[in-house]
Amino acid sequence: TQLLEQSPQFLSIQEGENLTVYCNSSSVFSSLQWYRQEPGEGPVLLVTVVTGGEVKKLKRLTFQFGDARKDSSLHITAAQPGDTGLYLCAPRLNYQLIWGAGTKLIIKP
Amino acid sequence: NAGVTQTPKFRVLKTGQSMTLLCAQDMNHEYMYWYRQDPGMGLRLIHYSVGEGTTAKGEVPDGYNVSRLKKQNFLLGLESAAPSQTSVYFCASSYPAGGYSNQPQHFGDGTRLSIL
Repeated sequence: TQLLEQSPQFLSIQEGENLTVYCNSSSVFSSLQWYRQEPGEGPVLLVTVVTGGEVKKLKRLTFQFGDARKDSSLHITAAQPGDTGLYLCAPRLNYQLIWGAGTKLIIKP
Repeated sequence: NAGVTQTPKFRVLKTGQSMTLLCAQDMNHEYMYWYRQDPGMGLRLIHYSVGEGTTAKGEVPDGYNVSRLKKQNFLLGLESAAPSQTSVYFCASSYPAGGYSNQPQHFGDGTRLSIL
């Protein structure tokens, strides 16, 4: 049974378009982190959400934690080629981080 | 501004060979982690350490050993390499992550290991 699911697995869109990626589970988490990983590098933290229903914005990126703290979404407005990368969600369960397989995002100029 | 440094960056081994991957961090972090990343599977925790001289098993510890003799270093050893251990290995470090702490993990750039 997969604990954590990220969707879509892969997304390729044109510059300027909007997109949303999802992180879903049947478990309740105490918090959740989003990381971005670029080719040949390690993941880098984007944001941490803690409270159910919490919304955080980072420039054109909007992160939301589900009301029940079981899921999260990342919305990107007017995507740019610099947004290309692997987006990983990592919720905290029992004091450990659980890692999703990620959404590979490609923004074409 | 080094952060987390992993060596080597690339390595090719033959089945049955042994090797050690080195991770060094200069942020005075207590916690250190070793992960492997395989396509479609996300990061899987191999071993971790909550302080100098302590180590613990993660999700996929078999075939690996670790040591944390100094706070800044965390070594990952492959005793007898197998093709199933072909992967990208990432080291990470953080401030204490117990309880409700949401300290970020800081990652190195990975070691790409191929076992033939």
